Amino acid sequence: NAGVTQTPKFRVLKTGQSMTLLCAQDMNHEYMYWYRQDPGMGLRLIHYSVGEGTTAKGEVPDGYNVSRLKKQNFLLGLESAAPSQTSVYFCASSSLAGVLSKETQYFGPGTRLLVL
Amino acid sequence: GNSVTQMEGPVTLSEEAFLTINCTYTATGYPSLFWYVQYPGEGLQLLLKATKADDKGSNKGFEATYRKETTSFHLEKGSVQVSDSAVYFCALTLSPGGTSYGKLTFGQGTILTVHP
Repeated sequence: NAGVTQTPKFRVLKTGQSMTLLCAQDMNHEYMYWYRQDPGMGLRLIHYSVGEGTTAKGEVPDGYNVSRLKKQNFLLGLESAAPSQTSVYFCASSSLAGVLSKETQYFGPGTRLLVL
Repeated sequence: GNSVTQMEGPVTLSEEAFLTINCTYTATGYPSLFWYVQYPGEGLQLLLKATKADDKGSNKGFEATYRKETTSFHLEKGSVQVSDSAVYFCALTLSPGGTSYGKLTFGQGTILTVHP
C-alpha cells in the first residue's frame, strides 16, 4: 500500500516549456486535490476532482490544467511554464466518507518545480 | 470566506523550552481543525486534529485544543527537541457544499528551529 505517490520528485523547466505532474493513489479515494506551496503563503488549492472524469477549479487555477481519466490518477499540466510557477506541488486524496466527516487528506511527498 | 491565521515566524527556541504557536480561524460553519508538520525536504504529515469544540488533539507531546469561543487552535509542547525543527501548518476543513468541496484551508506556516 503506497498511499499517494507523485512523479517526478524534482524538475527544472525553461520558460514556455510544458510538463505533466502525475499523482497516483491506491486507496480508491474519490476526491483528489492539487496544491501549491509557496513561502509564507501556506498551501493553496489549484484544482480538485470529486470523481473519475470530473475536475474543477480551486483558488489559483490559472496556467494549469488537470485530468482525471482514471480514478486512481490525477494529472496536473503546465502548458507554458512561467517563473511564477516555481513552487512545490502537493497532491492529496480523500475518500467521500472522509470528506463528509471532515477528516484529513492524505498527501503525497511533493514535486519541486523550478522554472527558469 | 474561510481563513486561517498563524503567528508570524520564524520561531527559534532552545532545547527543552516551551512552545506555543498561535492559530486562529474564521469559518462559515463548524470546521475540523488540523496541525500538519513538514520536516526539511519532506511532505506534509498530520500531527494532530480536533473535529469539534473543546476536543483536544495530541501526538508526540504536542497538544492543541479546539476553542470555539475564541476561534483558536493553538499548538503547544512542554519541552521541544532539536528533532522538532520543522514547518508547522494549521488548517481547517468544512463539510462539502458551496465553496468547500472538502478542501483544506491552510495558514501560512510557522518555521520552528530548536537549538541544542
